[in-house]
Amino acid sequence: EAQVTQNPRYLITVTGKKLTVTCSQNMNHEYMSWYRQDPGLGLRQIYYSMNVEVTDKGDVPEGYKVSRKEKRNFPLILESPSPNQTSLYFCASSLSVAGNYNEQFFGPGTRLTVL
Amino acid sequence: GNSVTQMEGPVTLSEEAFLTINCTYTATGYPSLFWYVQYPGEGLQLLLKATKADDKGSNKGFEATYRKETTSFHLEKGSVQVSDSAVYFCALGRGGYNKLIFGAGTRLAVHP
Repeated sequence: EAQVTQNPRYLITVTGKKLTVTCSQNMNHEYMSWYRQDPGLGLRQIYYSMNVEVTDKGDVPEGYKVSRKEKRNFPLILESPSPNQTSLYFCASSLSVAGNYNEQFFGPGTRLTVL
Repeated sequence: GNSVTQMEGPVTLSEEAFLTINCTYTATGYPSLFWYVQYPGEGLQLLLKATKADDKGSNKGFEATYRKETTSFHLEKGSVQVSDSAVYFCALGRGGYNKLIFGAGTRLAVHP
């Protein structure tokens, strides 16, 4: 089954304790992206990757890191989480961005609480 | 810049009522437009899309028409069901960076 998976689905942590949220897709997609969802703000893009070893900032990158060492994986790293990073996080993937917009497929979400 | 504005919720309807959720956008060029749905406790699912002016996207009884002259993409359904209770997001997508820009979301609650 074609899908985007995220782990963990739920995480409660404390301020300053480094964490990683994993994202993996099995559709051979070049493009991957992370969004955060907050009430009244919709989803906002954190980082995106056009292909392996190519990453760039989205609209709200502060406090986050990403890496793209393999095509299928795109982990989101919070080196020193803070309470304002409490949110619902979604990973998404799509085919190459060349030309018109390509439909993005979303993972199930990771609900993160930072105390 | 690019942005999406959708009506604030929550929207509360009785079963079989008519639904409209308004969405307007600001964008340069010719974006693609989408409606995503998020059921309680789940991720986002693409509900419907339209890629050019006057296109009508439809799925599961929902429809939306890409209106360039009014920069709108309103979501409609003739007869809602309790199972349609969810949060609905309007979004626009641009080529190049493949970025999706979302509205704030509208929560729909349908009562029997």
